[in-house]
Amino acid sequence: SQELEQSPQSLIVQEGKNLTINCTSSKTLYGLYWYKQKYGEGLIFLMMLQKGGEEKSHEKITAKLDEKKQQSSLHITASQPSHAGIYLCGAARTGNQFYFGTGTSLTVIP
Amino acid sequence: GAGVSQTPSNKVTEKGKYVELRCDPISGHTALYWYRQSLGQGPEFLIYFQGTGAADDSGLPNDRFFAVRPEGSVSTLKIQRTERGDSAVYLCASSQDRESSEQYFGPGTRLTVT
Repeated sequence: SQELEQSPQSLIVQEGKNLTINCTSSKTLYGLYWYKQKYGEGLIFLMMLQKGGEEKSHEKITAKLDEKKQQSSLHITASQPSHAGIYLCGAARTGNQFYFGTGTSLTVIP
Repeated sequence: GAGVSQTPSNKVTEKGKYVELRCDPISGHTALYWYRQSLGQGPEFLIYFQGTGAADDSGLPNDRFFAVRPEGSVSTLKIQRTERGDSAVYLCASSQDRESSEQYFGPGTRLTVT
């Protein structure tokens, strides 16, 4: 079973609209990472959250980690076509392994 | 400075053949990771190097897969007797050290086994 569940799997929004992507874990997370991937390219780091209740923003993207450190949301305000891509949450297990959610594909219609 | 590079960008091979995929991490990064990403899925951890040693290879699917990093920089992922199910994008990432939070990813190598 997938340790990190993302929802929705895909999202199509009109340019200018707000949207939220969720990432849920059945276990307490040591750290939660958000990445963006464009087709044919590697992953681009967006943000990392470590503390319960933490919230970070970069440009129009805000990510939050809940108090229990089991759920994170990524919110995009006033979406633009440049936001299109696949958003992945990731987390580290004890030791050295790093694992990802299944991803959320975002399409922004101009 | 240069980011993580991977070669080749695309590789098509016949079932049963041997392939090598190369990763050039960011200079000075001691930690290196290999992942495999199938269509519509998130990347799947394969192996982690700290320096020259494989600190965690528990993600390698079977003994046909092997990776080396002899001088602590460039790494090669080797797949023997390739199978169609090995077709995927193989991603490499590096980070400054074990404790570093941010992994820098290469563009990946798309492997197709026919």
